[in-house]
Formats: sequence, structure tokens, C-alpha cells
Amino acid sequence: QVQLQESGPGLVKPSQTLSLTCGVSGDSISSGGYHWNWIRQPAGKRLEWIGRIYASGSTNYNPSLRSRVTMSVDTSKNQFSLKLTSVTAADTAVYYCARGGGFCSRTSCYYGNWFDPWGQGTLVTVSS
Amino acid sequence: EIVLTQSPGTLSLSPGERATLSCRASQSVDSNYLAWYQQRPAQAPRLLIYGASSRATGIPDRFSGSGSETDFTLTISRLEPEDFAVYFCQQYGASPYTFGPGTKLEIK
Repeated sequence: QVQLQESGPGLVKPSQTLSLTCGVSGDSISSGGYHWNWIRQPAGKRLEWIGRIYASGSTNYNPSLRSRVTMSVDTSKNQFSLKLTSVTAADTAVYYCARGGGFCSRTSCYYGNWFDPWGQGTLVTVSS
Repeated sequence: EIVLTQSPGTLSLSPGERATLSCRASQSVDSNYLAWYQQRPAQAPRLLIYGASSRATGIPDRFSGSGSETDFTLTISRLEPEDFAVYFCQQYGASPYTFGPGTKLEIK
């Protein structure tokens, strides 16, 4: 059973860079055609998809954050990471990592853009 | 981007009752690429439904999804105590993938 766990600083100063890592256990991050995602939720607001990365390193970002986001993957450590630059108080949120959806029949696998499973989430506060 | 609206914002029901939650999209969701998640307090979201009506692995059959294009429904046929939580819908028919604001299902 795949499990994901976010890690990183819980407090970041305004204008600095937020850096988080998601460790994957229970399966190789390179197995299948899954993609690996970052999603955040500011307090009292709806969830926001930040972007995704494949084991190959290919990425797709939400246009609203594209200019500030970089995702990377380290297959040797079975983990992927998020960097968000020039943070402000508006970036204060619970940050989740999640695997992209997928299922396999006897003969083939299908991968989709739902999210399953999710990590437990980590609160990042932007404050001086 | 596609904006999702969920109703009601809060639903108060008793165990054993039937719950009907609505998710409406600002434009048609391609191929009915709509998912539902459950989030209990202090827990990560849990996938319930994908493809508008396909139950995720391990999800009880009291949970069912339906709908198409812009109108989708999550139905819980007989509420169990552990079902009282917040439910989100998510569309993945068009990037950026977006979520609804959630419906809180509370015990009456």
C-alpha cells in the first residue's frame, strides 16, 4: 500500500522560498505511469492543485502559480519536491502531496488525474 | 478554469438517513472526469469516487456517484456515524484541475 509523507519547514519568512519534500513508501515512484502532485488548502478556502511531476521529470503547473513553482523528483530516494519562491501570507496553507489516480486490469493500466492516496498534509505558515 | 459549486454548504442528517450532495460545474466536464473525496477532521482527503460513478477500492457500496456534463451527485444511501465529514468534488477534465468548496455533513 503506497503511503506519502510531507516534510519541510513549518514557518517561512515573506519573500523567501518554501521547500517541501514528499517521501513515498510502499512502491517505487518510478513504477507504472503515475504522476505525483502537490495540492494546498489555505484555512477556510478550497483545495488548490499546484502541479504534478512524473518520474521522468516532466512537469505541469497550475498557471496561477507557474512563475513561482518548481517541482523535482529524486527516484533514488523515492521522493519528490516542491519549491515555491517569493512567498507571501497568501501562501500560508496546508500542503498535501498526492499520487495521481490509476488502476490496472489484467491486461492494461489506466492513469487519470484524480488523486489517491494523499499524504497527511503539512501546515506551512508565511510570517516574519 | 472550471469553477465547481457544491450544495448545500452544510447538511444535517441522522445516522441511517440518505444523503444527497450536489456538485455543479461552470462548464461541461470532459468525459465526466469528476471525483469525490471525504475528509474527516485532521485527516487527509480520501478518494471515494472517480469518473463520476466508479467507486474507489475499498469504498463501501452505500456511496454512489452519478451525473454528467455540469451536474453531479454523491449519494450516501444509509449514513453511518463515520460518514459525518466534509465532502469535496474535483474535476479533472481540464487543467488546471479544480475543487469544489466542500459540503459539511453533520449529525442532526
